[in-house]
Amino acid sequence: DAGVTQSPTHLIKTRGQQVTLRCSPKSGHDTVSWYQQALGQGPQFIFQYYEEEERQRGNFPDRFSGHQFPNYSSELNVNALLLGDSALYLCASSAWGHPRNTEAFFGQGTRLTVV
Amino acid sequence: GIQVEQSPPDLILQEGANSTLRCNFSDSVNNLQWFHQNPWGQLINLFYIPSGTKQNGRLSATTVATERYSLLYISSSQTTDSGVYFCAVVIYNTDKLIFGTGTRLQVFP
Repeated sequence: DAGVTQSPTHLIKTRGQQVTLRCSPKSGHDTVSWYQQALGQGPQFIFQYYEEEERQRGNFPDRFSGHQFPNYSSELNVNALLLGDSALYLCASSAWGHPRNTEAFFGQGTRLTVV
Repeated sequence: GIQVEQSPPDLILQEGANSTLRCNFSDSVNNLQWFHQNPWGQLINLFYIPSGTKQNGRLSATTVATERYSLLYISSSQTTDSGVYFCAVVIYNTDKLIFGTGTRLQVFP
């Protein structure tokens, strides 16, 4: 059973460029959430996708956008990159349960460096 | 918003020692998870424990939801236990994980 997979593992971009990160959820999961982890800090919630729609969003600007595909995989897009966007980007998958008592599992992350 | 504080922030142990990590949260929560982040950044699930006590090998965890805290116990620590330990909570009517401040553990041989 494959866990959560993310690609690429590392990425270097120039200020002002755009980047796309990808995530495939754990088998049996239908919900994908994205987190940003700056150096020395805990992960911060960016947004969550379920049924191909953004369900919740954290305090991130509109430069951060996403998409979920019918196979539940997801992309995170960041436009007009800033130096401050350099971070580890983590994808988490879970099942949209009722009630919402579901365990989240994380991928290995994509380390983005903006120069 | 909810505050999630972990203590101690740093912990240095010799191999074989035991330790207790604490997670305090300022509001009622729906879920609580403990993670170990290894030096490569991977978040490894340790426990999904909204309440009660669970054990997995040398690790165990207890969450007392009514008193808004959770404890992670590590016994007979090994060098591979080194890394950062995070607790993360989910508040009612949301699905987002709110991470604590983390405890950085270093285990020396």
